[in-house]
Amino acid sequence: GNSVTQMEGPVTLSEEAFLTINCTYTATGYPSLFWYVQYPGEGLQLLLKATKADDKGSNKGFEATYRKETTSFHLEKGSVQVSDSAVYFCALSDRGSTLGRLYFGRGTQLTVWP
Amino acid sequence: NAGVTQTPKFQVLKTGQSMTLQCAQDMNHNSMYWYRQDPGMGLRLIYYSASEGTTDKGEVPNGYNVSRLNKREFSLRLESAAPSQTSVYFCASRDRGSDTQYFGPGTRLTVL
Repeated sequence: GNSVTQMEGPVTLSEEAFLTINCTYTATGYPSLFWYVQYPGEGLQLLLKATKADDKGSNKGFEATYRKETTSFHLEKGSVQVSDSAVYFCALSDRGSTLGRLYFGRGTQLTVWP
Repeated sequence: NAGVTQTPKFQVLKTGQSMTLQCAQDMNHNSMYWYRQDPGMGLRLIYYSASEGTTDKGEVPNGYNVSRLNKREFSLRLESAAPSQTSVYFCASRDRGSDTQYFGPGTRLTVL
């Protein structure tokens, strides 16, 4: 079946520190992979995505590379800011399915201190 | 372009009461979804609708019903609310071409 395992938090960093949030997946087909971000009191926003092996998604200084050999999609940012404090969700969708549902990890709470 | 809208934003119910959560999208998407978010659980799929007139159960459908009123609107109904349904509920719609889901702002529901 399809599932996502993501690094448990909370993660606490100082401003300008390097961020990595690990995400690994299990999928029966050829999934698309996503990172969503949820700021306090808000809904989920798409942060970045990748649709095939070796693709790199990037947005707002965040990057993640679709690694089929290690079934991973780790989120990285070179220098975090206080405004990056949020909950980050890794997710996959089975593109071969007409359902198109998302399978989510449990989320990682990131807090960045000035 | 409003995207996905949800009403209400907050709701408090007593056990046994009923209510309907409303969701609408203006992106002309065929597929729509209802998720619930609980601490430490990520998001879990309640129901989905692949197109107007069709609905199917997700992984946690018990205690809920849905209606796909038209292409824009997908409502979630709790017939007899229970404390276990205290959660944050998100509606989403999917752009099939980009395989991307867009989420509403959520409804925070408390059942006493």
